[in-house]
Amino acid sequence: EDKVVQSPLSLVVHEGDTVTLNCSYEVTNFRSLLWYKQEKKAPTFLFMLTSSGIEKKSGRLSSILDKKELFSILNITATQTGDSAVYLCAVTGVGAGSYQLTFGKGTKLSVIP
Amino acid sequence: GAVVSQHPSRVICKSGTSVKIECRSLDFQATTMFWYRQFPKQSLMLMATSNEGSKATYEQGVEKDKFLINHASLTLSTLTVTSAHPEDSSFYICSARGHGGNTIYFGEGSWLTVV
Repeated sequence: EDKVVQSPLSLVVHEGDTVTLNCSYEVTNFRSLLWYKQEKKAPTFLFMLTSSGIEKKSGRLSSILDKKELFSILNITATQTGDSAVYLCAVTGVGAGSYQLTFGKGTKLSVIP
Repeated sequence: GAVVSQHPSRVICKSGTSVKIECRSLDFQATTMFWYRQFPKQSLMLMATSNEGSKATYEQGVEKDKFLINHASLTLSTLTVTSAHPEDSSFYICSARGHGGNTIYFGEGSWLTVV
């Protein structure tokens, strides 16, 4: 059974801190790993990772994938209160000829002034 | 970027009635659409996966006769909650994937309240 484990489940930091969110996975026929940010409504897309060792960056956010050790990290530098959200990690794979998507439980990040 | 539109964003219905939620991909053809349910403070729970023109594949524990999914075209999938009960009140989200693509794009979600 495919599995995605995120850690920590919740995190409280002060503005300006740097945080690292973790995502480990076990999936049949891995295709990609995706990071999403969810505030009050539906998740918004952050990154898609398919290759090991290639860092993706968007402003203060960055992410990297290690396909050998089966994990990914999401880094947020100089955190702001607007970064407070649940960050979801999901992996896609192909099983029995069909496309599958598995989510982790998310990391709830709270950034306090 | 790719856009997925979901409608309605909020709906209130009476117990025993049925309600339909639409999910549209606006600028790409969605060969696969996913429907999720999310309870407060919990992660997304995949309900079913639908491929255009074929029957949806439901996750274990999801009643297919209660949650009817139709993916009649490459840009539209619908979720119909039949004979709704207050326990069905939840946040329902759809997502879509284009042909050959790996990225999943989400709709804005629909709040369903059954009274």
